Amino acid sequence: DTEVTQTPKHLVMGMTNKKSLKCEQHMGHRAMYWYKQKAKKPPELMFVYSYEKLSINESVPSRFSPECPNSSLLNLHLHALQPEDSALYLCASSLQTRRTGALNQPQHFGDGTRLSIL
Amino acid sequence: AQKITQTQPGMFVQEKEAVTLDCTYDTSDPSYGLFWYKQPSSGEMIFLIYQGSYDQQNATEGRYSLNFQKARKSANLVISASQLGDSAMYFCAMRVPSNDYKLSFGAGTTVTVRA
Repeated sequence: DTEVTQTPKHLVMGMTNKKSLKCEQHMGHRAMYWYKQKAKKPPELMFVYSYEKLSINESVPSRFSPECPNSSLLNLHLHALQPEDSALYLCASSLQTRRTGALNQPQHFGDGTRLSIL
Repeated sequence: AQKITQTQPGMFVQEKEAVTLDCTYDTSDPSYGLFWYKQPSSGEMIFLIYQGSYDQQNATEGRYSLNFQKARKSANLVISASQLGDSAMYFCAMRVPSNDYKLSFGAGTTVTVRA
């Protein structure tokens, strides 16, 4: 079992639907991340939250809307997605991001949500 | 700019044998961190091992060891005594301060362990 929990594990939605992906960690990490991963490709960073504030948005389309309600939770709200958005969405957390010592902090990933857009 | 290169798309290894996965990197930052992750078909990314740019010794974690050659900018992962459960995709990754400490991944290497 991973220490980062993602729900749901699978999600199928139409292009007009609104859904949310959820991520939870209880390791006391203050940095949380969303990645998108296509089959047989490396993960691509989407968003970074540091101390519950959005610190990095990698020019992600507005149909993806992240939210960090508290230090343990991270959501990704989805609306009007396109078929090309079908992918594995991974959440990760780490102790810190930009401070001294961040270089040696591994990111801990969840199992991911497999998203299919019809 | 920083770059991670994994040149082996796929590898086969016999059970109980060792396998080396290649990773080269390029960065102008004097300080950096190198990571290896394992991703089984189930999807989870599992952190395996870390090597810092100033670490004098090669990192080891159980059956995993990192062959760090700083002058050659290589950080190869060695898996000893391969097991069927080692079949997965393996990613080399790097963090540097100049890239906002973001994790940059290589293209990955798929390892298949044969019985």
